Formats: sequence, C-alpha cells, structure tokens
Amino acid sequence: KQEVTQIPAALSVPEGENLVLNCSFTDSAIYNLQWFRQDPGKGLTSLLLIQSSQREQTSGRLNASLDKSSGRSTLYIAASQPGDSATYLCAVRRSQAGTALIFGKGTTLSVSS
Amino acid sequence: DGGITQSPKYLFRKEGQNVTLSCEQNLNHDAMYWYRQDPGQGLRLIYYSQIVNDFQKGDIAEGYSVSREKKESFPLTVTSAQKNPTAFYLCASSTTSGRLHEQFFGPGTRLTVL
Repeated sequence: KQEVTQIPAALSVPEGENLVLNCSFTDSAIYNLQWFRQDPGKGLTSLLLIQSSQREQTSGRLNASLDKSSGRSTLYIAASQPGDSATYLCAVRRSQAGTALIFGKGTTLSVSS
Repeated sequence: DGGITQSPKYLFRKEGQNVTLSCEQNLNHDAMYWYRQDPGQGLRLIYYSQIVNDFQKGDIAEGYSVSREKKESFPLTVTSAQKNPTAFYLCASSTTSGRLHEQFFGPGTRLTVL
C-alpha cells in the first residue's frame, strides 16, 4: 500500500532564507507527483506537477525534484517571503486514468519578517 | 472564469440528518473526486468518478453517497450512517486524457455536527 510521508511537520524560517521541504513515498510505481499549497481554511492550490519520467519542474521561486528510485521528492523555495507561509502538501498518483491522489500530511511553513 | 465551486462554505448538521454538499466545475474535466480532511491528517479519498453515471468508492466511503448525472456536477451526501462527519470536505477535478491529469481543487465545505 502506497504511503506518503512529509518531514518536517512544521518549519519556521526568517524571511529571505532558502528552504527545502521533503516528501517520501513507499512505492516507486507512481504516475506523477503533485505539490500543493493550502492556506488556513481554504482549498488546495496546485504548485507543481512532475511526471514520473521527469526529474524536476520549476515555477518562479519554486523548484520540485523527483527521484523515483529512492521514493523521494523535494520542494525548494528560494528567497522565502512571509506570503509563503502556508501548509505544503505532497501527493502521488498511482496510475494514469483519472485515479485519485494519495496525500502526505503536509509541512506547515512559517516565514517571519 | 474556469474553476470549481463548492457550496455551502459552512454546514451544520444535527444528529441523524442527511446533508448534501454541492460541487460544480466548468473546466470540462471528466474526472471528479471527493476528499475529507481532518486536523493533522492528510486528505483521504471518499469517492471518485471518471465519467458520467459511474463512480468508485475510495478509502473511506462508508456513510457517504454520491451521484454523477452531469459532467459538471458531483454532489456528496453525508448520511446519518457516517458516525463522525465533522471535517473539511474538498472536491477536485482532473482530465483523463493527455499526459498531465493535474488535479484542481475547490474552496471546500466545513461540516460540523451539532
């Protein structure tokens, strides 16, 4: 059974710091991996999607990497800002055709000014 | 604007009552999903549908029911059989063709049992 783990559960950093959020999964047979952001009491916003054949994806200050063989993904946030404070969720898709995601419990990030 | 809408934003249910949560999307997506989120836990799948008039149980389907009569709509009913329904409910949709299948989420409905 696929399990997704995110460490740490919470992280506090000063503004301007570069940081890495970690995601690990137990079964390397994934179709893709998606990183989301969730603000308190809100829905999820998709940040980046990495196909199983890709190694990384970039969007602005965000860079996500994927190492299927080791069952790991990282989300790198450059030059963090207070507006980046949120919970970041990692999720993997098991197969191709419209199947659901399996989520980790998330990392709650706090960036202080 | 394309997107997913959920209503109501807040819902209160009395013991023994059935309630229905609405989810509508105008993204022309074939697949739709319902997840439940509890404090300190990841999202868990309740039901999903890949096509109109067809749906599949997820990991925690007991006490819930769904219908998919239209492509745009995927309502979730929380029945009295669901023993602990207080949670944040999230609806999502995605394509089933092409390569990405990126999932997009609605704003959520917070259900509280009185």
